[in-house]
Amino acid sequence: DQQVKQNSPSLSVQEGRISILNCDYTNSMFDYFLWYKKYPAEGPTFLISISSIKDKNEDGRFTVFLNKSAKHLSLHIVPSQPGDSAVYFCAASDNYGQNFVFGPGTRLSVLP
Amino acid sequence: DAGVTQSPTHLIKTRGQQVTLRCSPKSGHDTVSWYQQALGQGPQFIFQYYEEEERQRGNFPDRFSGHQFPNYSSELNVNALLLGDSALYLCASSLGGGGIYEQYFGPGTRLTVT
Repeated sequence: DQQVKQNSPSLSVQEGRISILNCDYTNSMFDYFLWYKKYPAEGPTFLISISSIKDKNEDGRFTVFLNKSAKHLSLHIVPSQPGDSAVYFCAASDNYGQNFVFGPGTRLSVLP
Repeated sequence: DAGVTQSPTHLIKTRGQQVTLRCSPKSGHDTVSWYQQALGQGPQFIFQYYEEEERQRGNFPDRFSGHQFPNYSSELNVNALLLGDSALYLCASSLGGGGIYEQYFGPGTRLTVT
């Protein structure tokens, strides 16, 4: 039973346009959500997070939106750059850091 | 400032054998977590070590065990290897015994079981 789902295995976007990566979760106990980026031959790198008390968090070109009633979050990258090409993992946790779960990832390709 | 390091980079073992993977946390970090990432999947939490004790554990059998040393480095041991144990094993470090929220990951050890 996958508690964190990323239903798009891959996404291609033109440079300069918006990239939208989606994530759905099933466990209502999840309270904290994170996005990680992973380049080949490297470990995942923390990108941005959001607590369930917020519906939006922004950091430069990256914004995460949370719709708790729909159990859905999304990562927006604007504008997309070729260096953003990587695998993006959505992850979720309860408020105590227990039950930390990653989604399967979405491979983003930003085309020049 | 050294990041998280893992050794070896790659490893090939035979079914039934035992393996030990090693991790050194980022400078200043005292907590180490281990993850298994199978092909095409996200990392799965194995366990976390803090103050030389296992503090949290994911849904992995007892064949998976670990250790943390006084210098905060850690080992992951897997006994009686199965083909399904073939995966990328990631180590992540953080501070303060919890810290899953902003972990720093190493590049991983690729284990192949034949």
